[in-house]
Amino acid sequence: GEDVEQSLFLSVREGDSSVINCTYTDSSSTYLYWYKQEPGAGLQLLTYIFSNMDMKQDQRLTVLLNKKDKHLSLRIADTQTGDSAIYFCAETPRTGGFKTIFGAGTRLFVKA
Amino acid sequence: DADVTQTPRNRITKTGKRIMLECSQTKGHDRMYWYRQDPGLGLRLIYYSFDVKDINKGEISDGYSVSRQAQAKFSLSLESAIPNQTALYFCASSGTGTDTQYFGPGTRLTVL
Repeated sequence: GEDVEQSLFLSVREGDSSVINCTYTDSSSTYLYWYKQEPGAGLQLLTYIFSNMDMKQDQRLTVLLNKKDKHLSLRIADTQTGDSAIYFCAETPRTGGFKTIFGAGTRLFVKA
Repeated sequence: DADVTQTPRNRITKTGKRIMLECSQTKGHDRMYWYRQDPGLGLRLIYYSFDVKDINKGEISDGYSVSRQAQAKFSLSLESAIPNQTALYFCASSGTGTDTQYFGPGTRLTVL
């Protein structure tokens, strides 16, 4: 079945790196995504990775994809208090009607 | 101006009342979605539409109905609201290509 799992909470100190992990079940997805939700707002796409890539870097963000283990991670370097938010992992399987499947979200707390 | 707008932003209603939540998008997207968000459960898909004549049930469609009035408009109705429909509701739209979803700001619905 389709499932995306991620831990619910992560706490880091300002300036440290944050690593948010996610596992997914459907290997047919062409893209895998990280969305960010700030308090009182909807989700916004943070970054995505094409399924034939192992890594994607965008400024402080690094996405790692391990297709064999169906594991996706998001690393935020030099984490700031403004990075405090909920981060959602998501995939859009090519089967099952092309619906995007979201994880439950990881709430990142950044301590000053 | 926001690409995806939702009205109302907040609504308090009583059990048994009919409620309509409205969504509009200016992105020219064919695909639109309604999700509900509950703490610890992430986003769950209620209904989705891939064009004006296409309506599909998501994983939790019972108690809800939708109408795609135009490419840009997708409304969600609760025919007879019940307390366990208290949640944050998000509308989203997406185009083809990367399937990136663009979310509205959400509607906080409370059913007493």
